[in-house]
Amino acid sequence: DVKVTQSSRYLVKRTGEKVFLECVQDMDHENMFWYRQDPGLGLRLIYFSYDVKMKEKGDIPEGYSVSREKKERFSLILESASTNQTSMYLCASSLGALNSPLHFGNGTRLTVT
Amino acid sequence: QKEVEQNSGPLSVPEGAIASLNCTYSDRGSQSFFWYRQYSGKSPELIMFIYSNGDKEDGRFTAQLNKASQYVSLLIRDSQPSDSATYLCAVNTGFQKLVFGTGTRLLVSP
Repeated sequence: DVKVTQSSRYLVKRTGEKVFLECVQDMDHENMFWYRQDPGLGLRLIYFSYDVKMKEKGDIPEGYSVSREKKERFSLILESASTNQTSMYLCASSLGALNSPLHFGNGTRLTVT
Repeated sequence: QKEVEQNSGPLSVPEGAIASLNCTYSDRGSQSFFWYRQYSGKSPELIMFIYSNGDKEDGRFTAQLNKASQYVSLLIRDSQPSDSATYLCAVNTGFQKLVFGTGTRLLVSP
């Protein structure tokens, strides 16, 4: 089974802090994704990566950056956390093949106060 | 206009009945379609996917795709209380990027 592990289940940070969310997958998947999920808005894509050191903006990249230095690890960075970034963050990975499904981590519930 | 539309529900069905969940999408070039189940406080888990027009069955689940109508559905036969969850429809719009609907909440009563 694919395992996607997110480093924290719950996180509380203060406004203005720099926040790192880590994600590791163990199935040698090429693609990795960061989504946020908010009530009524569903899952929205923040950033994704097809390969090491490559990144592409998703639908809502503002206020976020990412890093992929190794194939198995994809980090989401909030440079200066704000209260409107309070959300559930979900990391996912998939094979590089066309039509491959996403496999999700358990999620990180981030609260910015 | 949202790219993937689902009725938010809740859809209430009695135990043993068939639950029918529907999804429409706007991008005619979409090639693959996924159904995920999400329990409260948990992450989405893949139920099944479909690429071709018609029906695809997997146990109690059947996915139906009609590309001409831009419509995909999920049928759950013999619904169980454990099926109570939010069901997310996702569409691959290219480059393996999935666009998700906001989900339909299903409630199965004993």
